[in-house]
Amino acid sequence: DGGITQSPKYLFRKEGQNVTLSCEQNLNHDAMYWYRQDPGQGLRLIYYSQIVNDFQKGDIAEGYSVSREKKESFPLTVTSAQKNPTAFYLCASSDQGRRNSPLHFGNGTRLTVT
Amino acid sequence: DAKTTQPNSMESNEEEPVHLPCNHSTISGTDYIHWYRQLPSQGPEYVIHGLTSNVNNRMASLAIAEDRKSSTLILHRATLRDAAVYYCILRPTEEYGNKLVFGAGTILRVKS
Repeated sequence: DGGITQSPKYLFRKEGQNVTLSCEQNLNHDAMYWYRQDPGQGLRLIYYSQIVNDFQKGDIAEGYSVSREKKESFPLTVTSAQKNPTAFYLCASSDQGRRNSPLHFGNGTRLTVT
Repeated sequence: DAKTTQPNSMESNEEEPVHLPCNHSTISGTDYIHWYRQLPSQGPEYVIHGLTSNVNNRMASLAIAEDRKSSTLILHRATLRDAAVYYCILRPTEEYGNKLVFGAGTILRVKS
């Protein structure tokens, strides 16, 4: 079955360490996205990529970095510069060629930094 | 970005219809109305979208007001599995980038 895989489901890190969250899709989608969700709140866009080797900052990109070397993969690095990294991180993809094509989300990675 | 307003929470009985409202008074003529829902500890899933006409699919119906300043997501027979956060989102047609803005949504509780 096609879908988005995020791993791991839970991640624990010490403050000051960089950590990379994995996102892989086998839907052949061009566009991929990273969102952050804090308890009781909606999703906020961190970065998005419309095509391989290209990506743009979303609304809250500070303290994060991404790469898009392959169509299937869009890893997110949470750097030590991110002041409040503990959150639920969601990756999504969509078919760039179709207007209004829905976003397909993974089941998220819950990151806890202490 | 055009903003949507939804109630914080709603409650429904199992097997009864549920009408989830959304106000979007600043909607532009080219904005589509999208609905997603998020079950606990999962990523959001697409439910339905529309522009002007009412829409039906296997999950729900979307009723859009004639002036497009509000819409209603209709679940015809709520089940316990429909308990989730429901997001109403506006999406410009000219933007292939799909930068959806998710507000806090409506928490739907379903009682058995």
